[in-house]
Amino acid sequence: DIQLTQSPSFLSASVGDRVTITCRASQGISSYLAWYQQKPGKAPKLLVYAASTLQSGVPSRFSGSGSGAEFTLTISSLQPEDFATYYCQQLNSYPYTFGQGTKLEIK
Amino acid sequence: QLQLQESGPGLVKPSETLSLTCTVSGGSIYSSRYYWGWIRQPPGKGLEWIGNIYYRGSTYYNPSLKSRLTVSVDTSKNQFSLRLSSVTAADTAVYYCARRTMGAPDAFDVWGQGTMVTVSS
Repeated sequence: DIQLTQSPSFLSASVGDRVTITCRASQGISSYLAWYQQKPGKAPKLLVYAASTLQSGVPSRFSGSGSGAEFTLTISSLQPEDFATYYCQQLNSYPYTFGQGTKLEIK
Repeated sequence: QLQLQESGPGLVKPSETLSLTCTVSGGSIYSSRYYWGWIRQPPGKGLEWIGNIYYRGSTYYNPSLKSRLTVSVDTSKNQFSLRLSSVTAADTAVYYCARRTMGAPDAFDVWGQGTMVTVSS
């Protein structure tokens, strides 16, 4: 199985900050990586697919980059609604796997 | 607008079989563009992919669950289902059904709201 390791696991930041979350794969996955945002009690929401393509309707302050085994999700200027947990997922090969999550909290 | 809705018992006894159905509305499950998947999330923990099914019936399972898992599709009802046998407390989780689009977007782009299943006697 391909392991995904996110860092950090917890992140405390303020409104307006720029934050970056990293996702490292245990082997190369080309660009078959997606990012999701999950708020308490809600289903995950797709933010980015193919490592860097923003899903329709997602604000442009979100961006993804990377290929191979290292990927990043960046939020350029945090808004109050962005405080949530973020997961990366690889879709390169079965079994699909998720990172352990990054909880973004208000400082 | 496509919607997915999970349904099934919220409480299952240990050693019994967990059965859930996902009903797809606002679109057809009979499409070569999509796989249909199950993902679960134990309380306070991360996401785990369970398995996918194609409208023609081909399945892809997480090896950690494969021996206990059956995913099926009923195109006439626009539904797909999950059966997980011999459950234990470790199977307690919120279970989500989701659509996996092939191409753009190449990810799980539509999710159900999730249903909590507790395994307890």
